[in-house]
Amino acid sequence: NAGVTQTPKFRVLKTGQSMTLLCAQDMNHEYMYWYRQDPGMGLRLIHYSVGEGTTAKGEVPDGYNVSRLKKQNFLLGLESAAPSQTSVYFCASRPGLTRNSPLHFGNGTRLTVT
Amino acid sequence: GDSVTQMEGPVTLSEEAFLTINCTYTATGYPSLFWYVQYPGEGLQLLLKATKADDKGSNKGFEATYRKETTSFHLEKGSVQVSDSAVYFCAPLSTGNQFYFGTGTSLTVIP
Repeated sequence: NAGVTQTPKFRVLKTGQSMTLLCAQDMNHEYMYWYRQDPGMGLRLIHYSVGEGTTAKGEVPDGYNVSRLKKQNFLLGLESAAPSQTSVYFCASRPGLTRNSPLHFGNGTRLTVT
Repeated sequence: GDSVTQMEGPVTLSEEAFLTINCTYTATGYPSLFWYVQYPGEGLQLLLKATKADDKGSNKGFEATYRKETTSFHLEKGSVQVSDSAVYFCAPLSTGNQFYFGTGTSLTVIP
């Protein structure tokens, strides 16, 4: 059982380039999330989805877009990368119907924007 | 809005020492409380949780008690091991169904 899988694991972009991070989960979870982790700032929510075809903004959505065309996949896009988007990105999922269910995380994508 | 304040790190302890990592929160309503752990190079994983006042969550020798009167959820372990070296995150789950993460506390246990 793979759980939550993120691709790629590492990426280096130049300022202005675009890319898409892919998150896939095989647990049939309704809710999916994208976080970024920066030193001294914990995890901050970028966007999330409560079901196929629905997305919503989190705490730091600017500069990112997302799509949830299939229940098991949640894509995070950067249209024009900036150095401020250098970070480690984590995808997470959890069941939607269980009130206190925990998040299940992928192993992260380390993105560097030069 | 909801928020969480977590003890600053890094923390360095000798093996078998007692560990406390403080966590306090502010929230509207009645959140559930979680501790997550992140080992090097990995994503976060659930360590323990508590869903109502005076509940004690426990796992792998770690414990935390939901203290509603002090809005706290401090993490404790009586005797740490080298394998406990990791970053620990306190995370309330708000009534709006969102997690709020602390800044994380890095723990290093030396033999």
